[in-house]
Amino acid sequence: EVQLVESGGGLVQPGRSMKLSCAASGFTFSDYYMAWVRQAPKKGLEWVASISYEGSSTYYGDSVKGRFTISRDNAKSTLYLQMNSLRSEDTATYYCARQWGPPFDYWGQGVMVTVSS
Amino acid sequence: DIQMTQSPSFLSASVGDRVTINCKASQNINKYLNWYQQKLGEAPKRLIYNTNNLQTGIPSRFSGSGSGTDYTLTISSLQPEDFATYFCLQHNSFPLTFGSGTKLEIK
Repeated sequence: EVQLVESGGGLVQPGRSMKLSCAASGFTFSDYYMAWVRQAPKKGLEWVASISYEGSSTYYGDSVKGRFTISRDNAKSTLYLQMNSLRSEDTATYYCARQWGPPFDYWGQGVMVTVSS
Repeated sequence: DIQMTQSPSFLSASVGDRVTINCKASQNINKYLNWYQQKLGEAPKRLIYNTNNLQTGIPSRFSGSGSGTDYTLTISSLQPEDFATYFCLQHNSFPLTFGSGTKLEIK
């Protein structure tokens, strides 16, 4: 059974950093692109970033480019999102999602990040 | 960047109704269009991929169609469990972009 479990969220002050993790199981992690998608409270979905199989290629949404870094550790089957210079508008539930061919067939349960002083 | 315009934003319907939700892309997305359902407090669930391919386990009352810039999700006969919010996603090119969502409510 495919499982994606996010962790690392919580309350953080504006301008600070936070790192999210997503532990994957039930499939060969290195065979898939992976991604982060977020959803601000009572808002729609926003793609944040994607990473290729070995991590050599990364892609970012305009709103996070230069501040967020997506990475992966295939030996640990874990996806990461390093978030720097956080802003109030980054407050959202962050989902880890599997992406290969047609994206986002499996999603994690989400982790809440609140940016506030 | 490709913009996705989803309509309607809200839809009120009854059990048994046939409903359609539309997404219009700002340019040709070559049928690289997925549909997702999201219930309150849950992660999204993929219903349809690449315009008209039904995800395994999804009931056949859900179907998708379209080409070029215009795409449609149809629910042939609404069931109580279908009342949720629906999103489209274009994956023709980065940045991937979602529609703004359609909230389907019980009339």
